[in-house]
Amino acid sequence: EPEVTQTPSHQVTQMGQEVILRCVPISNHLYFYWYRQILGQKVEFLVSFYNNEISEKSEIFDDQFSVERPDGSNFTLKIRSTKLEDSAMYFCASSDRATDHYNVLTFGAGSRLTVL
Amino acid sequence: LAKTTQPISMDSYEGQEVNITCSHNNIATNDYITWYQQFPSQGPRFIIQGYKTKVTNEVASLFIPADRKSSTLSLPRVSLSDTAVYYCLVVAPNRDDKIIFGKGTRLHILP
Repeated sequence: EPEVTQTPSHQVTQMGQEVILRCVPISNHLYFYWYRQILGQKVEFLVSFYNNEISEKSEIFDDQFSVERPDGSNFTLKIRSTKLEDSAMYFCASSDRATDHYNVLTFGAGSRLTVL
Repeated sequence: LAKTTQPISMDSYEGQEVNITCSHNNIATNDYITWYQQFPSQGPRFIIQGYKTKVTNEVASLFIPADRKSSTLSLPRVSLSDTAVYYCLVVAPNRDDKIIFGKGTRLHILP
């Protein structure tokens, strides 16, 4: 079964440092998403991306965040200057919006970010 | 976006059938109802999606009444491994770029 792959699985960083989380979506998917989940809380939408541009973003996705699809396979989330409250599990997801299932997301296993 | 409401938590026992109901009073004509399952420290996983009446797959059944203002996810004969958070979402096909998860229902299966 095709998978969404995320790296690293866990990253520890100091406050103020830049972090890049990487995702390889399913190869024929065209829609990409980042979500985050603070421990014990709900899954929060950050951003969606299609056709090399952001299609929607939440209020969480401020100027400290950016996304990029640098090549045909990777999809990255960059946090420019991490804060303590950025500590969370970050999930990448992709979708092909096939006609048999609508807007069904396939999630990766997540990248746990710990900011000290 | 149609808001969904579901119980915060439920307990059940191994071997029982579990029904989790979700209300979505403001569902739009073209919206689909989608359920995900999330285990601790894992990403949500798609379980089932439906538009009306009943949908069944190898994991679950989804019952949707004619007015579509609610839906019920049915898990037959649960096991301990079905302990997870279950999310009900309403999505607009090919239009929703902001797919929002609610708090979900924390299902705890007891031996």
